[in-house]
Amino acid sequence: GDSVTQMEGPVTLSEEAFLTINCTYTATGYPSLFWYVQYPGEGLQLLLKATKADDKGSNKGFEATYRKETTSFHLEKGSVQVSDSAVYFCALTHGGNEKLTFGTGTRLTIIP
Amino acid sequence: KAGVTQTPRYLIKTRGQQVTLSCSPISGHRSVSWYQQTPGQGLQFLFEYFSETQRNKGNFPGRFSGRQFSNSRSEMNVSTLELGDSALYLCASSPEGGRNQPQHFGDGTRLSIL
Repeated sequence: GDSVTQMEGPVTLSEEAFLTINCTYTATGYPSLFWYVQYPGEGLQLLLKATKADDKGSNKGFEATYRKETTSFHLEKGSVQVSDSAVYFCALTHGGNEKLTFGTGTRLTIIP
Repeated sequence: KAGVTQTPRYLIKTRGQQVTLSCSPISGHRSVSWYQQTPGQGLQFLFEYFSETQRNKGNFPGRFSGRQFSNSRSEMNVSTLELGDSALYLCASSPEGGRNQPQHFGDGTRLSIL
């Protein structure tokens, strides 16, 4: 079945550091790929998405590129801020249905 | 535009009881999905409703059920509660459903079983 593997956390970085959170997936065909973010006490917010190979999703300085050849969708940001501290989830949908398959989440903490 | 609204935000129940959680989707959204979030199992899909019909179902026992009303509001019910049902239950909505449409999540209902 479909699965998403995320970089183990927690990840702690200093403000203005470069961020990469790795995400790889297993699915037949061409899934749609998403990054969601969860702040403490809240639900999930869509951060960015990509629906076909080589698409780049971007939002709030975050980027991720859909790489079919490596089945990856790594999240990057050039300069993180304290306000980026949250849990990040990589996810996919597949097969024409609504069901999201999530990775385990990566807790990110940014130190001033 | 109002977001996805889940009620109540917090709930405490005891083993053996049943519980009903409510979700009001974003206006105009017809697809509603439910997820369970726990520290051990992460985020797991429960079911999806579209136009009052269950369209997709995850791998949960029959104690977990749901329904959707004509105004797209949805409820999920858990009967004979077990300690392991303690979790954050998240509802998400999208306009028509389908894999390319991002889902918008509510803040969840945190259910604690004593």
